[in-house]
Amino acid sequence: EIVLTQSPATLSLSPGERATLSCRASQSVSSNLAWYQQKPGQAPRLLIYDVSNRATGIPARFSGSGSGTDFTLTISSLEPEDFVVYYCQQRSSWPLTFGGGTKVEIK
Amino acid sequence: EVQLVESGGGLVQPGGSLRLSCVVSGFTFSNYAMSWVRQAPGKGLEWFSHISGSGGTTHYTDSVRGRFTISRDNSKNTLYLRMNILRAEDTAVYFCAKSSDYSNDVFDHCGQGTLVTVSS
Repeated sequence: EIVLTQSPATLSLSPGERATLSCRASQSVSSNLAWYQQKPGQAPRLLIYDVSNRATGIPARFSGSGSGTDFTLTISSLEPEDFVVYYCQQRSSWPLTFGGGTKVEIK
Repeated sequence: EVQLVESGGGLVQPGGSLRLSCVVSGFTFSNYAMSWVRQAPGKGLEWFSHISGSGGTTHYTDSVRGRFTISRDNSKNTLYLRMNILRAEDTAVYFCAKSSDYSNDVFDHCGQGTLVTVSS
């Protein structure tokens, strides 16, 4: 099973700041890495697929990068609605796995 | 508009059984693989089951294999999850998830979730 480790667990920033979230895989997942956003009490929402492709309707302030085992989700300038939880997910091999999540909170 | 609506959750005793349903609309159901994802209270997301569009291929995570069965009825636009021998650690919100147009096994839509509580 591929283990995804997200860091930090909590990121404290102010609106307008840049957020950098990390996801590290226990073995290579090639480019098969996605990012989701989850607001309290809601289902996860797809942000990024295949490392760097934004899903439909996702603002340009969200971007993804990386390859192999190290990946990054960047939010260029935090909006108030961005202070929620983010998960990475790999689809390289079964079982599909999610990272433990990073909570972005207001500093 | 794509919609996924889960139902069937509730309180069940350890060792009991439950069947969840997910009725979908707004897309050609048979063209898409589907998954179940769950989230224990206060915890992260966990994928645990997948079924291909035809229903001919399934995958499970080790913790549910042999206890849970995923199935689908493409004529009814409905995804199912039969859960047997339920344990306290199965307590979670259960989401059905649609594979995206972009790539398989990335989820572009999920339902609102149904809560399953396993407790005596």
